[in-house]
Amino acid sequence: AQSVTQLGSHVSVSEGALVLLRCNYSSSVPPYLFWYVQYPNQGLQLLLKYTSAATLVKGINGFEAEFKKSETSFHLTKPSAHMSDAAEYFCAVSDPNNDMRFGAGTRLTVKP
Amino acid sequence: KAGVTQTPRYLIKTRGQQVTLSCSPISGHRSVSWYQQTPGQGLQFLFEYFSETQRNKGNFPGRFSGRQFSNSRSEMNVSTLELGDSALYLCASSSGTGRAYEQYFGPGTRLTVT
Repeated sequence: AQSVTQLGSHVSVSEGALVLLRCNYSSSVPPYLFWYVQYPNQGLQLLLKYTSAATLVKGINGFEAEFKKSETSFHLTKPSAHMSDAAEYFCAVSDPNNDMRFGAGTRLTVKP
Repeated sequence: KAGVTQTPRYLIKTRGQQVTLSCSPISGHRSVSWYQQTPGQGLQFLFEYFSETQRNKGNFPGRFSGRQFSNSRSEMNVSTLELGDSALYLCASSSGTGRAYEQYFGPGTRLTVT
């Protein structure tokens, strides 16, 4: 069975600082990996996805993630945090049957 | 293009009642998936429908059911509501079935069971 683990349920950074949200996956087959963002009272929006092509994936809003097979990781980064980045972020893995498993989420707070 | 719409946005029901939630996918999308989001269990997959057929099902009791109509609109039904069914129910649509297809999420229906 596939799963993802997000390290840190809450992350706080200052505006302009590096954002690093951690995600480790477990999968018996080559995974498809996703990062979603959820703003209050809204659904999920896809930030980026890894589908076995380039290991460094660029997404929307300046976010990117690097797939590291040796570390079974897919951490999300953004060089400079903005106040509008404050939200909850979910890492997810999908198997070939399209069964998507989400991590518990990381709430990002951006301090002025 | 209009996004995924879900109705109603908020719902309050009593234990033992049943409820039906509706999801209208993006025009042209034929796959609809449903998820339950709770503070305790997080986001959990309920089921996926494609061309009116259930393609995949998560680990939920039979009280949770769904269907898809010929216009791709989908409904999910929960019978004999329990307090633990209080959650945000999210619907997502995609143009095809399979993990290569991006899922677009609606704003959700927040169900409160009292």
